[in-house]
Amino acid sequence: AQSVTQLDSQVPVFEEAPVELRCNYSSSVSVYLFWYVQYPNQGLQLLLKYLSGSTLVESINGFEAEFNKSQTSFHLRKPSVHISDTAEYFCAVRDTRGSNDMRFGAGTRLTVKP
Amino acid sequence: DVKVTQSSRYLVKRTGEKVFLECVQDMDHENMFWYRQDPGLGLRLIYFSYDVKMKEKGDIPEGYSVSREKKERFSLILESASTNQTSMYLCASSFHLAYRSYEQYFGPGTRLTVT
Repeated sequence: AQSVTQLDSQVPVFEEAPVELRCNYSSSVSVYLFWYVQYPNQGLQLLLKYLSGSTLVESINGFEAEFNKSQTSFHLRKPSVHISDTAEYFCAVRDTRGSNDMRFGAGTRLTVKP
Repeated sequence: DVKVTQSSRYLVKRTGEKVFLECVQDMDHENMFWYRQDPGLGLRLIYFSYDVKMKEKGDIPEGYSVSREKKERFSLILESASTNQTSMYLCASSFHLAYRSYEQYFGPGTRLTVT
């Protein structure tokens, strides 16, 4: 079975500063990796995903994440955050064998201050 | 546009009541899921269904049951609501086959308060 650890429960940053949200996973098989975002009072939306190929994946709103197999990590980064990025971010993992099971981390609350 | 809808955004029920949470998806997805979301615990899987009338227990099925009579609809049932079931409940759906996209699509959530 897979598991996910998000190392920071809360990350406060100032607007236009860079940010990194950390995610480590544990699995005995190959995995797919995801970052979801949850804005206040909404459900989860997919931000980006790693399935195969290039280990660096990007979202349309400037976030990127890099799959590091040796460190079993999938950290999320943005070089300059906006107030509108304030949300909770969830890292998730599922195995590549086609099982239906997706495991989520506990979430990181990103607060961007003016 | 992909759509997962949940019957209520907010719900207040009394201890001991039977509670139904409904979820509908319009994407012809085979899989549907119910999670509960609690601060500091992330999302925990209650039940999922991979086909009509098929269901499997997740990590925390105790106190819950589910029903899937039609492909597009997945219901979560609290037979006798208790205060420790106060939570945010999220429904999700996804394709089943390995070659399709792998992500889950989520509804807006139902915040249930049991008093």
